[in-house]
Amino acid sequence: GNSVTQMEGPVTLSEEAFLTINCTYTATGYPSLFWYVQYPGEGLQLLLKATKADDKGSNKGFEATYRKETTSFHLEKGSVQVSDSAVYFCALSDSWAAGNKLTFGGGTRVLVKP
Amino acid sequence: KAGVTQTPRYLIKTRGQQVTLSCSPISGHRSVSWYQQTPGQGLQFLFEYFSETQRNKGNFPGRFSGRQFSNSRSEMNVSTLELGDSALYLCASSFSSASGYTDTQYFGPGTRLTVL
Repeated sequence: GNSVTQMEGPVTLSEEAFLTINCTYTATGYPSLFWYVQYPGEGLQLLLKATKADDKGSNKGFEATYRKETTSFHLEKGSVQVSDSAVYFCALSDSWAAGNKLTFGGGTRVLVKP
Repeated sequence: KAGVTQTPRYLIKTRGQQVTLSCSPISGHRSVSWYQQTPGQGLQFLFEYFSETQRNKGNFPGRFSGRQFSNSRSEMNVSTLELGDSALYLCASSFSSASGYTDTQYFGPGTRLTVL
């Protein structure tokens, strides 16, 4: 079956530092890949997505590239802010399978200190 | 466009009771999925509804059930509540077609259920 593995947190950074969160996946077929972010007390917000190999998703300074050869979708941001403190989830789905569902990684808590 | 809404936002119940949670999807979205989030198990898929039919189901006991109405609004019900059912229940909606394609899932704020 499908699975997603992401680095455990917490990841603690200083403001303006570089952030990388590793994510690897196992899937049959050709999944779409997502990063969702969850702020305290809230639901999940879509951060970015990529639907095919070599696609790069980007949003709010975050980027991730769909690497089929390494089955990875690592999240990066060049200069983090205190407001980026949240839990980040990597996820995959098979967009062309009826009855689609998201498979999530365990989440990575990021804390950015001023 | 309004986002996914869930009601209520918070619920406190006691063991043995039942509970119903509601989800209104983004206008035009016909697929609604439910997820359970707990500190121990993370995010787990419960079920998905499309055009009033359950199209996919996760590995949860029969105490967890759901339905979808003709306006795509969905409800999930948990009967005979257990302490372990305490969780954040998230609803997500997406554009989907009968032929199988499903687009990005957008999540609501969740319902926090506490079972005492």
